[in-house]
Amino acid sequence: KQEVTQIPAALSVPEGENLVLNCSFTDSAIYNLQWFRQDPGKGLTSLLLIQSSQREQTSGRLNASLDKSSGRSTLYIAASQPGDSATYLCAVDGNNRLAFGKGNQVVVIP
Amino acid sequence: DTAVSQTPKYLVTQMGNDKSIKCEQNLGHDTMYWYKQDSKKFLKIMFSYNNKELIINETVPNRFSPKSPDKAHLNLHINSLELGDSAVYFCASSRGGNRANEQFFGPGTRLTVL
Repeated sequence: KQEVTQIPAALSVPEGENLVLNCSFTDSAIYNLQWFRQDPGKGLTSLLLIQSSQREQTSGRLNASLDKSSGRSTLYIAASQPGDSATYLCAVDGNNRLAFGKGNQVVVIP
Repeated sequence: DTAVSQTPKYLVTQMGNDKSIKCEQNLGHDTMYWYKQDSKKFLKIMFSYNNKELIINETVPNRFSPKSPDKAHLNLHINSLELGDSAVYFCASSRGGNRANEQFFGPGTRLTVL
């Protein structure tokens, strides 16, 4: 059974600092890994999807890396802004279902 | 413009009642999902349908019955609601087939059972 862990559970950073969010998973037989953003009381917004054959994906200030053999992914957010405050969820796709971590709750302090 | 929509957004009901949540996607996707997010914010898959066929049923009580009248809709019917069913339910969709596909989520339905 796939288990996904996200560390740290919560963090606060001053505006302008880079954010580093970690995700680890126990079963490396995955099809892809997806990072989502969830704002309080809202749904999930897909940020990046990394296919199992890829090492990283980039979108604007966001960069996600994937090391499938060691079961790890990292989401980097450069030059954080208050609008980046949210919960970030890592989800691993194995056998057509997403297994989620519990999220990294981020607060960016102006 | 909405890609994946759910109704209602909020649902408050008494224990023992039966209720339904509707989901529609206009992305032309083949696969749709239901996820449950509990009070600790942990998201877990419940069901998945591909082209109206059930492909995943993740040990959910049979009080929960998904119904897919067509590829664009996946509704969730819940019988005899219990306090523990209180959660946020998310519908999602993906292209399916190719397993590297991205999943897109609806805004969620917050169910409160009193």
